[in-house]
Amino acid sequence: NAGVTQTPKFRVLKTGQSMTLLCAQDMNHEYMYWYRQDPGMGLRLIHYSVGEGTTAKGEVPDGYNVSRLKKQNFLLGLESAAPSQTSVYFCASSSLAGGTDTQYFGPGTRLTVL
Amino acid sequence: SQKIEQNSEALNIQEGKTATLTCNYTNYSPAYLQWYRQDPGRGPVFLLLIRENEKEKRKERLKVTFDTTLKQSLFHITASQPADSATYLCALEGAGNYQLIWGAGTKLIIKP
Repeated sequence: NAGVTQTPKFRVLKTGQSMTLLCAQDMNHEYMYWYRQDPGMGLRLIHYSVGEGTTAKGEVPDGYNVSRLKKQNFLLGLESAAPSQTSVYFCASSSLAGGTDTQYFGPGTRLTVL
Repeated sequence: SQKIEQNSEALNIQEGKTATLTCNYTNYSPAYLQWYRQDPGRGPVFLLLIRENEKEKRKERLKVTFDTTLKQSLFHITASQPADSATYLCALEGAGNYQLIWGAGTKLIIKP
């Protein structure tokens, strides 16, 4: 039981490049989330999904897109990376809605945009 | 909008003492409040969840209180150990949605 996994662990991009971050969970959770974590700030929600085939915007969605084609996978895309997107990205999942249940986190992806 | 305040300065505690971390929020009182632990280079790990009608919750050496009048939660670690050194995050449910709102965390350092 791997829990929540994320790939890649590290990535360096040049401004304007695109990439996709992959999140996978093996707990059969309905809810999945993408956060970014910046120094001195709390985790900020980028996008989330309440089930297969659904996505919704979080607090800071601009510059990102997501897809949840399979229940166990949640993809985060950066179409044209900007230095402001340099951050650590975490994926999480939960069985019930965000505030009422434990969220299980992946190990994170450290992204640097030059 | 809801704001969460956690002490941004690191908290240094002597091993064996009780560590107390504070989480203050400014707007509505959430129905649920959670505490997580985060080690360097890792994702947060869930510790405790407390509901608004629960004044206190305990798990082994951990205790959480929830005061909706003061709009504050306290997180206690008794008989602290160096292995308890980490950053501790407070999170509240967002109003009417599926989101958690997160504090920036407090770094706890337990000295031998």
